[in-house]
This record gives sequence, structure tokens and C-alpha cells, in this order.
Amino acid sequence: GAVVSQHPSRVICKSGTSVKIECRSLDFQATTMFWYRQFPKQSLMLMATSNEGSKATYEQGVEKDKFLINHASLTLSTLTVTSAHPEDSSFYICSARRGRTGETQYFGPGTRLLVL
Amino acid sequence: GQQLNQSPQSMFIQEGEDVSMNCTSSSIFNTWLWYKQEPGEGPVLLIALYKAGELTSNGRLTAQFGITRKDSFLNISASIPSDVGIYFCAGLRDGGATNKLIFGTGTLLAVQP
Repeated sequence: GAVVSQHPSRVICKSGTSVKIECRSLDFQATTMFWYRQFPKQSLMLMATSNEGSKATYEQGVEKDKFLINHASLTLSTLTVTSAHPEDSSFYICSARRGRTGETQYFGPGTRLLVL
Repeated sequence: GQQLNQSPQSMFIQEGEDVSMNCTSSSIFNTWLWYKQEPGEGPVLLIALYKAGELTSNGRLTAQFGITRKDSFLNISASIPSDVGIYFCAGLRDGGATNKLIFGTGTLLAVQP
């Protein structure tokens, strides 16, 4: 099977600090990874599409300077939440696409971020 | 961002009952997917549908791609306690390398033993 990991699984930080979340495809190469955000009892909302070796594509309303995405290799994408605020507290989920078609996305277990 | 509408929002059923849920959109999708999410975890793909009218099964799960391409249905037969979770539909519209998933609002399923 295709496995995607995320690290850390949970993080608590103070307001104003930056937090980095890693997403790794463990047994396949992923030229495209996706970052989603999920608030309690809500659906997944796509934040950005991360392409290896190029700039991420952000969805409307997502601040690219606040949510920095780096996809430096075919197995790793990172999301950095800069100058975090309490309203950034959420469940962040990544997915990695295996192949060229969208349905072959494998999701990570998610990272719970709490900003105090 | 856009979301697909799912109904019902939640279901509380007895073990052994059958379950039906649906997902509707105002626009057409080329692929429909159904995921299950358990608490504190990422979604897991259950069924993928690629053609209008297609009916696909995965064990006790059966899903259909609506003929209009604007809806999809998921049925679970003879539910068991481990079916508990949130079920999301997702639509895939664009072709090529920039495919993006649009998720539904989710249906929470609770199964009482």
C-alpha cells in the first residue's frame, strides 16, 4: 500500500511563533502533495497544492506568506505556519498523489495544531 | 471554497441496519470518491467511481455515480460498530495533472451495538 506520514501528530505553541509540519510519502514518489485544513466537525478545505521543485499554488483566501510550503524532494513537503495565532488552531492534513490522476491521493494521519 | 452537500448530516442507527447517504453538487464532476475518516485520522478511500451511472461495491459498501454527474450515493449494508466515523464524498472535476478534490460536508455515522 501507499503510506503517508505526518510529523508532528500534535503540537502546541505560543502565539507569534512558527510551526513546521512535515508530510512524507514513505513508499512512493509524489510529485504533487496537497495541504488541507479541517476545523472541528467540518469538512476538509484545500489550502494549497505543492509541486516538487516549484512554487505552491494556493487556494483563494489562503495567505501564502502565512502558510509557507516547500516541496524540496519527491517524498517530502513541509507546511510552516508563520506567526501563529489562536485562530490558526486546526487539524492540518496532507495528501500525496501517486500517479497523475487525482483519485490516487493518499492522506496522512493529520497534525493537530493548538496555538495558545 | 466550494463544498459538496451531503445528507443526512448525521445518522444514529442500530447494528445490522442498512445505511444510505448521498452527495449533491450544482456542477458536474468526472469522478466521485467516497472516504471514511475516524477521529484524529486522515481520510481513507473507500470507493472510486469514474463513469456516470456506474455502480461499484467494496464489501458491504456500494456506491453509485449519478447519471447527471451531479450526485453520488453510498450504501452500507448490515452495519457494524466499526463502521462508525465520518463519511465524506469528494468530487474531481479537472483533467490532467492539476486535479483537485472538492470534499462534501460529511455524514457522521454512529452505530449502536
